Amino acid sequence: DAMVIQNPRYQVTQFGKPVTLSCSQTLNHNVMYWYQQKSSQAPKLLFHYYDKDFNNEADTPDNFQSRRPNTSFCFLDIRSPGLGDAAMYLCATSRLRTGTDTQYFGPGTRLTVL
Amino acid sequence: GNSVTQMEGPVTLSEEAFLTINCTYTATGYPSLFWYVQYPGEGLQLLLKATKADDKGSNKGFEATYRKETTSFHLEKGSVQVSDSAVYFCALTNNQGGKLIFGQGTELSVKP
Repeated sequence: DAMVIQNPRYQVTQFGKPVTLSCSQTLNHNVMYWYQQKSSQAPKLLFHYYDKDFNNEADTPDNFQSRRPNTSFCFLDIRSPGLGDAAMYLCATSRLRTGTDTQYFGPGTRLTVL
Repeated sequence: GNSVTQMEGPVTLSEEAFLTINCTYTATGYPSLFWYVQYPGEGLQLLLKATKADDKGSNKGFEATYRKETTSFHLEKGSVQVSDSAVYFCALTNNQGGKLIFGQGTELSVKP
């Protein structure tokens, strides 16, 4: 089945220690998104790639960065995680970047910062 | 700016009860509207969507109609099951790079 895969499902890191979360897709979609979802809150878009074109949201902290080395993979790097960065991180993909296109979500990576 | 407001939860129902979860939105132009469901410990799954006024989205017994005159997209199901217990998110996109803007989510708990 075509799908969006996130690894690991659970990640524990220490305060200030860089961490990388991974997302891969077999849908061959052009767009990949990263959302942050804090406990009992709505997901919030951090940034997205349209092919190799990176698009950052205005209020995304500089501490968060992303890489997309090829169509299938996208990474979320947190350079110096703080306690406030503990959250579920959701990767999503869509074929196009239009408002009508469905986004397909992975299962998420739950990040704990000690 | 664009925003989505949902009724607050948690909502607790008995099996086979009728479900309504209210959702209203504020947006410029002509947004597309979505309902996503999140089961415990999992990511989001698209439940249904509507891309223009008066469209009705439906899936797995759930329905929602895009009402432009009332800026609403209420989710309904005639007879809920225990397996419907989850958090439901209403969301919109407004052709701004496909960005989904979510409501705060409504937790539904269905008791046998």
